[in-house]
Amino acid sequence: AQTVTQSQPEMSVQEAETVTLSCTYDTSESNYYLFWYKQPPSRQMILVIRQEAYKQQNATENRFSVNFQKAAKSFSLKISDSQLGDTAMYFCAFMKHSVRGTYKYIFGTGTRLKVLA
Amino acid sequence: NAGVTQTPKFQVLKTGQSMTLQCAQDMNHNSMYWYRQDPGMGLRLIYYSASEGTTDKGEVPNGYNVSRLNKREFSLRLESAAPSQTSVYFCASTQGGENTDTQYFGPGTRLTVL
Repeated sequence: AQTVTQSQPEMSVQEAETVTLSCTYDTSESNYYLFWYKQPPSRQMILVIRQEAYKQQNATENRFSVNFQKAAKSFSLKISDSQLGDTAMYFCAFMKHSVRGTYKYIFGTGTRLKVLA
Repeated sequence: NAGVTQTPKFQVLKTGQSMTLQCAQDMNHNSMYWYRQDPGMGLRLIYYSASEGTTDKGEVPNGYNVSRLNKREFSLRLESAAPSQTSVYFCASTQGGENTDTQYFGPGTRLTVL
């Protein structure tokens, strides 16, 4: 069974600095997808970034980038130039095709990030 | 385009009461999901529906039932609520198919069972 581990329950970073959130996963699959979701105090789950396992190039979205190490099964999120609005819970998620042609996601337990002014 | 909507946003039940959480999406997505979120445990899959007319159990299905009423709507029913079902419930949907795997979430329902 697949598992997703986020070993940092809480982190803090000064505004404008860079922070890296860790995520490791365990799977025997070769083709899968990885995601980072952000959940601000509003509770809404917002997609931050996605990575296809077959792509070697790391995904980037503006200030957000990932370090995807397939062999090590590691998928960390780097937030550059941190802003107060980045304060949120961040979830790492693993996805693969399931039976009946749908997708099954497995989420980590989350990292609570606080950006300090 | 409202995306994924859930009703109600908040609910308080007494032990043994029943209720149905409603979810609808207007993105013409094929697959829909119900999760529960508890502190320190992330999101856990309760049930999912790959397409209209099909439903499957997820990681924590006990105490719940679901109905995929049509392509837009996917409801979650608690027949006899228990305090252990106090949680935040999220509905999500995906298009399905190549490059359309991203899940879109509703705003959540906070349920308290006394």
